[in-house]
Parts: sequence; structure tokens; C-alpha cells
Amino acid sequence: NAGVTQTPKFQVLKTGQSMTLQCAQDMNHNSMYWYRQDPGMGLRLIYYSASEGTTDKGEVPNGYNVSRLNKREFSLRLESAAPSQTSVYFCASSALGGHEQYFGPGTRLTVT
Amino acid sequence: AQSVTQLDSHVSVSEGTPVLLRCNYSSSYSPSLFWYVQHPNKGLQLLLKYTSAATLVKGINGFEAEFKKSETSFHLTKPSAHMSDAAEYFCVVTTGGSYIPTFGRGTSLIVHP
Repeated sequence: NAGVTQTPKFQVLKTGQSMTLQCAQDMNHNSMYWYRQDPGMGLRLIYYSASEGTTDKGEVPNGYNVSRLNKREFSLRLESAAPSQTSVYFCASSALGGHEQYFGPGTRLTVT
Repeated sequence: AQSVTQLDSHVSVSEGTPVLLRCNYSSSYSPSLFWYVQHPNKGLQLLLKYTSAATLVKGINGFEAEFKKSETSFHLTKPSAHMSDAAEYFCVVTTGGSYIPTFGRGTSLIVHP
């Protein structure tokens, strides 16, 4: 039982490049989330998926897109990376909205 | 609407002394409240949660928190700090089954030998 897994762990991009961050959970959870963490800002919600087949914007969605591929997988795409997107990205899942969340280990992204 | 304020950005204690991390919340409805811990370069891990059952909630590693509705607080405590407790702690609120939790900005706990 791996919980929540994220790939890659580290990534360096040049401005304008694109990439997809992958997230998978094996707990049969309905809800999945993408956050970014910046120093002194706590965690900010980028997008979430309340259940398979639905996605919604969070607090800071600009510059990102998501896909809920199936119940297990929820990917985050940066179409044209910008230095302001340098951050640590966390994926999380929960059984239902409002329940405790389980977090992946994070992806450390640097955009130069 | 919901919000959460962690009153201290840093808390410094000596090993073996009590820990108090303060959290105040605002919520239009009955809240669910959580404390998470994040060790350096790791993801977040649930410490404990309050979901309208007992107001004193016990978590992992000797931590506990008390829900005080009249004070809109959910402070995290531990009787005796250990070096391994040094980490970032986040207080989180959700309201009425909302899918969108609100995170505090975090409190960094420093433990001195």
C-alpha cells in the first residue's frame, strides 16, 4: 500500500517549457487535490477533483491544467512554465471532501 | 466562509518542556479541524482531527488538541518536546463537507537540546 505517489521528485525547466506532474493513490479515495507550497505562504490549492470525472479551480489555478484520468490518477500540467511557478507541488487525496487528506512526498520544480 | 490563523510563525522550546502551537479559526458552520506535521523535505502527515465528537482530541506522538467553540481555537499541545518534533505544523479547517480546506501559514517548531 504505497498511499499517494508523485513523479518526478525533482524537475528543472526553462521558461516556456511544458511538463506534466503525475499523481496516483491506491486508497480508493474519491477526492484528489493539487497544492503548491511557497515559503511563508502555507499550502495553496491549485485544482481539485471532488470525484472521478470532475475538476474545479482552487485558489491559484492560472497557468495550470489538470486531468482526472481515472479514480486513481490526477495529473497537473504546466503548458508554458514561468519562474513564478518555481515551487514545491503536493498532491493529496481524501475519501470524501472535508475528510483528512493524505499527501504525496512532493515535486520540487525550478523554472529558470 | 472559513479562515484559519496560526498565531506564531516560529516557536522555540527546549527538549523535555511543553509545546503549545496556537490556532484560531473562523467558520460559518460547524467546522472540521486538523493538524498536520511536515518534516523537512517531506510531505504532510495527519497528526489529529476534530470532527464534532470529543472536544479533546488525541493524536500521534503524544500530541493533543482541544476544540474550544467559545474561543474559536484549536491549539496543539504536547507535554514534553522531543528533538524529533522539530518540524512545520499546519492547522487546517473545512466547513460543512466542503471540498476546499483552508490551511494556516504554518508554525515552525524548533527544539533545542
